[in-house]
Amino acid sequence: EPEVTQTPSHQVTQMGQEVILRCVPISNHLYFYWYRQILGQKVEFLVSFYNNEISEKSEIFDDQFSVERPDGSNFTLKIRSTKLEDSAMYFCASSGWHRDSGANVLTFGAGSRLTVL
Amino acid sequence: AQSVAQPEDQVNVAEGNPLTVKCTYSVSGNPYLFWYVQYPNRGLQFLLKYITGDNLVKGSYGFEAEFNKSQTSFHLKKPSALVSDSALYFCAVRDTGGFKTIFGAGTRLFVKA
Repeated sequence: EPEVTQTPSHQVTQMGQEVILRCVPISNHLYFYWYRQILGQKVEFLVSFYNNEISEKSEIFDDQFSVERPDGSNFTLKIRSTKLEDSAMYFCASSGWHRDSGANVLTFGAGSRLTVL
Repeated sequence: AQSVAQPEDQVNVAEGNPLTVKCTYSVSGNPYLFWYVQYPNRGLQFLLKYITGDNLVKGSYGFEAEFNKSQTSFHLKKPSALVSDSALYFCAVRDTGGFKTIFGAGTRLFVKA
């Protein structure tokens, strides 16, 4: 069964450092997302990406965050200068249906745990 | 703006008993509604969805959910709980006009043998 893969599984970084989290979505999917989950609690939407541009973003997704699809397979989340409160589990997700069909079921990766010290 | 509420942080049920995990939602248009499950140290897995049509939808692992438009609810149910159903359950909603799926705060289900 196709899956979304994320690397690294766990990253520890110092406050102020740049971090890049990588994702390989399912190959024929068109929509890509980043979510984060703090302490195993609420899953928060960060950003959605379609047709090589951001389609929607939350208030969490400020200038410190950016996303990129540098080639045909990878989808990355960059945090330019990490803060303590960025510590969380970051999930990548992808979906393959046109948004108007209503069947945008998300397939999630296993997550990347980011610890900022 | 869309939102989802899961009023219970935790639901405890004995194995073999029916279970219900509650969810209410708010969207500006017609909702697309979803349930996902998360096991420890894993990503979220899709359980079922409501798009249109029959208000009772059936999903994976014997779960089902009932869409109630007047009460803006989408409660998750299972007739007979298993210990292996113990996990964190998330209700989610997407507005028909938007790109983002919004998740509730999650409800932890404990099924005791």
